Amino acid sequence: DTGVSQDPRHKITKRGQNVTFRCDPISEHNRLYWYRQTLGQGPEFLTYFQNEAQLEKSRLLSDRFSAERPKGSFSTLEIQRTEQGDSAMYLCASSLVSTSWELFFGEGSRLTVL
Amino acid sequence: AQRVTQPEKLLSVFKGAPVELKCNYSYSGSPELFWYVQYSRQRLQLLLRHISRESIKGFTADLNKGETSFHLKKPFAQEEDSAMYYCALTPTGANSKLTFGKGITLSVRP
Repeated sequence: DTGVSQDPRHKITKRGQNVTFRCDPISEHNRLYWYRQTLGQGPEFLTYFQNEAQLEKSRLLSDRFSAERPKGSFSTLEIQRTEQGDSAMYLCASSLVSTSWELFFGEGSRLTVL
Repeated sequence: AQRVTQPEKLLSVFKGAPVELKCNYSYSGSPELFWYVQYSRQRLQLLLRHISRESIKGFTADLNKGETSFHLKKPFAQEEDSAMYYCALTPTGANSKLTFGKGITLSVRP
């Protein structure tokens, strides 16, 4: 297992377009998290799943954002009608429920909205 | 609501000097505190957890509930300690998400 993988690593899009990011967690991990990180800030929580259930969503996750984890394995994060303020690094992490404080992060997907 | 504050953005020291990275938190209940680290061109990863009371790579951190602080310390910094350090919090036993601070860059000069 190579750890958490994210795709694409970089995405440049025009304002108003939709983008989708994919995250493949460590295979035995049942928790999957999405965080967003902007310049000079720490990771900000967006949402997390336990298996296929989405257990919590941040207020940061506007109606334009949707996340899924349909079979309890990989997850997708879609942003519709992107805005320049969506430009950020989107980080995925996974963990076991029993050690949910130990997050294993991916390398992130960097979004630039022009 | 929980909040983590790292008051400094950058700490630059010479090799062999002591290091203290400050972290203060705000949470009405009982928290669990952590330090995460991101070395250059590597992923963000857990460094240490306050409950374990371990020394990891020479770093220690003590939870001070009176001062609501969880400062990270190392008596003698090494060049390989240069990295971005994030303090994080989660409610004890809640099995919930981590809330991160803004992070501090530690630069250790030769």
